[in-house]
Amino acid sequence: TQLLEQSPQFLSIQEGENLTVYCNSSSVFSSLQWYRQEPGEGPVLLVTVVTGGEVKKLKRLTFQFGDARKDSSLHITAAQTGDTGLYLCAGGSGNTPLVFGKGTRLSVIA
Amino acid sequence: NAGVTQTPKFQVLKTGQSMTLQCAQDMNHNSMYWYRQDPGMGLRLIYYSASEGTTDKGEVPNGYNVSRLNKREFSLRLESAAPSQTSVYFCASTKTAGSNQPQHFGDGTRLSIL
Repeated sequence: TQLLEQSPQFLSIQEGENLTVYCNSSSVFSSLQWYRQEPGEGPVLLVTVVTGGEVKKLKRLTFQFGDARKDSSLHITAAQTGDTGLYLCAGGSGNTPLVFGKGTRLSVIA
Repeated sequence: NAGVTQTPKFQVLKTGQSMTLQCAQDMNHNSMYWYRQDPGMGLRLIYYSASEGTTDKGEVPNGYNVSRLNKREFSLRLESAAPSQTSVYFCASTKTAGSNQPQHFGDGTRLSIL
């Protein structure tokens, strides 16, 4: 069974600070996705990474896929209150269903 | 576009009652999924349908049944609800069954079993 471990589980920071959240596994994934979920809503896809070592940027968010395709990180620069939410990573291979991590709950305080 | 629509949004049941959660997507997607989300547990796959006419068990299928009614609709049934099934249920869809496909989620059904 493929498992994805996310850390930290909870993170509370001041507006303007930088942060990194991690998604780790002992398994190799052919692709990894990051989602953000706000209260009362379903998760929304932020990015998909498919190549080992790949780095993708989405405004102040930087996503990296590990060289061995077993881990990923999400870095947020100068966090804003609008970044508050639950961040989920999900990994998959071939046509097997995605496996989701348990999430990192981020709170950005003004 | 509506995307993925789930009904109802909220429901309270008594132990032993039955219920069907409805999900419909208007994106002409082939694959659909049912997840449950519990505090600290992330999203766990209950059942999925890779294409119309097929269904497969996910990680936590016990106590649930599904029906892929047509390409648009995928329902989840609890035959005899138990308090352990109190959760938030999400339906999602993807264009194809590939794991690199973006999942489009509904806004969830919040189900409480007393």
